[in-house]
Formats: sequence, C-alpha cells, structure tokens
Amino acid sequence: DTGVSQNPRHKITKRGQNVTFRCDPISEHNRLYWYRQTLGQGPEFLTYFQNEAQLEKSRLLSDRFSAERPKGSFSTLEIQRTEQGDSAMYLCASSPGGAGANVLTFGAGSRLTVL
Amino acid sequence: GNSVTQMEGPVTLSEEAFLTINCTYTATGYPSLFWYVQYPGEGLQLLLKATKADDKGSNKGFEATYRKETTSFHLEKGSVQVSDSAVYFCALRDKSGGGADGLTFGKGTHLIIQP
Repeated sequence: DTGVSQNPRHKITKRGQNVTFRCDPISEHNRLYWYRQTLGQGPEFLTYFQNEAQLEKSRLLSDRFSAERPKGSFSTLEIQRTEQGDSAMYLCASSPGGAGANVLTFGAGSRLTVL
Repeated sequence: GNSVTQMEGPVTLSEEAFLTINCTYTATGYPSLFWYVQYPGEGLQLLLKATKADDKGSNKGFEATYRKETTSFHLEKGSVQVSDSAVYFCALRDKSGGGADGLTFGKGTHLIIQP
C-alpha cells in the first residue's frame, strides 16, 4: 500500500471557479477525514466519513463545500465559487475502525491558491 | 469545547541539546493525546500517542507523558539531531466528551536544529 494519496498536489484557480480534490485512502481503512490547514496554523477538522456515510461536518464546511465518498473508497472535496479565503492546504487522512481509529494516516495534501 | 495550546516557535537548538515542547489541552471528556510531526514537503506523521492518564508515549527517542492533573502532554527528547527539524503538532481526540471524531490540533511548533 502506498499510503494516502491526494490529487492534485497544487491547484491555482481564479476566484469564483469551482475546484475538486480527490483522496485515495489506505485500502483497508473505513474512516476518512478532511482537514484544512492555513499557514502557521494547525489542521482544522472539516468532515468525516465512515465507509460511504458522512457522519460529521464542521461548521467550517460552508454551503460552498461538499464532500462525497460514494463507494466507501476514494473521496472528493469540491469547493464551489471559490474565494480568496479558501486558499489553504487541504489534507485527507484515513484510519481503520475499532482500536485503530485513533491513528490517522495523512496524505501530503492538496494546496489551493485562489487568485 | 476542546482546544490545544502549544508553545510558539520557532524553537532553535543546537544538535545534542535537550528538547521540551510544551502542550496543554482543554477537553470535556477523557481525550486521547497525540504528537504529530510534519517534515518539509511531507504529510503529517504520527509520532507518539497516549490514551489515558499517566500513559507515556514514546518513539524515535521522543517521549510524552499524559498528565491529567496538569492537562499537559509535553514532548521531550534527550538529544536532538538535525534530522529532527520539523513542525510538531500536539492534538487530542475526545469522543467520550461528545467531541467530533476528528482530531483537534494545536498551531504547531517549528523546531530548527543547528549542527
């Protein structure tokens, strides 16, 4: 297994455009998380899936953000009508269930720059 | 709500010096505590964890003890190396207190080790 994979690694877009990020978790992990990290800050929790079910959403996840995990494997995070304040690193992480749920494996992230 | 406070950086030390990075937390329940490390250009990696009071997590020469009485989880290493230069994040997960399943992170401490 190659770990958690995120694409694209970098995305530059103009304000108002839509962007989509993809995350491929570790194959045997049923839990998947999205975080946002801005410069000089720690990662902030956005949302969490167990299999295909989206179980939690942070208040940070505005109506312009939507995340899916249709078959319980890969996930996508879409941002509509991007704003400059959306510029950040978007991190995906996965974990197994049960006793292993505490240990998250992170991807390298997708950096978004909104001009 | 839950929160994590860690000492601000950058922390600059000479090789072989003793390292302490302070971390304190606020949680409503009985959290699990973590230290993650982010090397330049890489994703966050779990460094060590502790799931209950008085537990000591350790890995790669780093240690941290879960102190419930002082709500702290300070990271220590007896002799740092240049390769330890990275950003270190303290984090908690507090499902018992009804918190989100995701981790709550501190802002990170940038550690610079000089030869």
